[in-house]
Amino acid sequence: EIVLTQSPGTLSVSPGERATLSCRASQSVSSSNLAWSQQKSGQAPRLLIYGVSRRATGIPDRFSGSGSGTDFTLTISRLEPEDFAVYYCQHYGSSRGTFGQGTKVEIK
Amino acid sequence: EVQLVQSGAEVKKPGESLKISCKGSGYTFTSQWIAWVRQMPGKGLEWMGIIYPGDSDTRYSPSFQGQVTISADKSISTAYLQWSSLKASDTAMYYCARLDSNYVSGHYYYALDVWGQGTTVTVSS
Repeated sequence: EIVLTQSPGTLSVSPGERATLSCRASQSVSSSNLAWSQQKSGQAPRLLIYGVSRRATGIPDRFSGSGSGTDFTLTISRLEPEDFAVYYCQHYGSSRGTFGQGTKVEIK
Repeated sequence: EVQLVQSGAEVKKPGESLKISCKGSGYTFTSQWIAWVRQMPGKGLEWMGIIYPGDSDTRYSPSFQGQVTISADKSISTAYLQWSSLKASDTAMYYCARLDSNYVSGHYYYALDVWGQGTTVTVSS
């Protein structure tokens, strides 16, 4: 079973700054099936990125994804007030899915 | 508009049974997998399992195999998650989500692209 480990657990960033979130897989995974979601307090998650780097519909271009193999990154280029949330990486493969434990992006 | 609408919050006692629902609209419900995801209070997301409503093919995460039952009624575009005997540890928010398979430039991409609003399940004596 693939395990996704996200770091850091919490990231303190000022509005307008750049945030870099990491997701490491326990074994090499298909880039086609690696996604990132955002969850704001009290809301359902929302898909941001799929296929490592493809933005979902309506997602602003300040969100970008990169990586391959076991190491993946979500970058938020200039944090807006609405970006402070918890971010999860997610992988699907062999009829099973898994999530990272999440990274909370908080206001510094 | 593609939507998944879940049933309302539930408060139950330990040992009781429960079935919650997730109704899809705005797309061909039988052609996309539906996933169930648990989120315990203050915790992260956990993948429970998926169902293909077209033929009710179901795959469970090992952690949830035997603990819950996932089903679907394609005639009413609805997926279900059920328990036969609830425990206090089942207290959580439960989400359904569509597992989209997006074919782009010769590749299939899989991701949970549309989520229900969540159903809160509280189990307490």
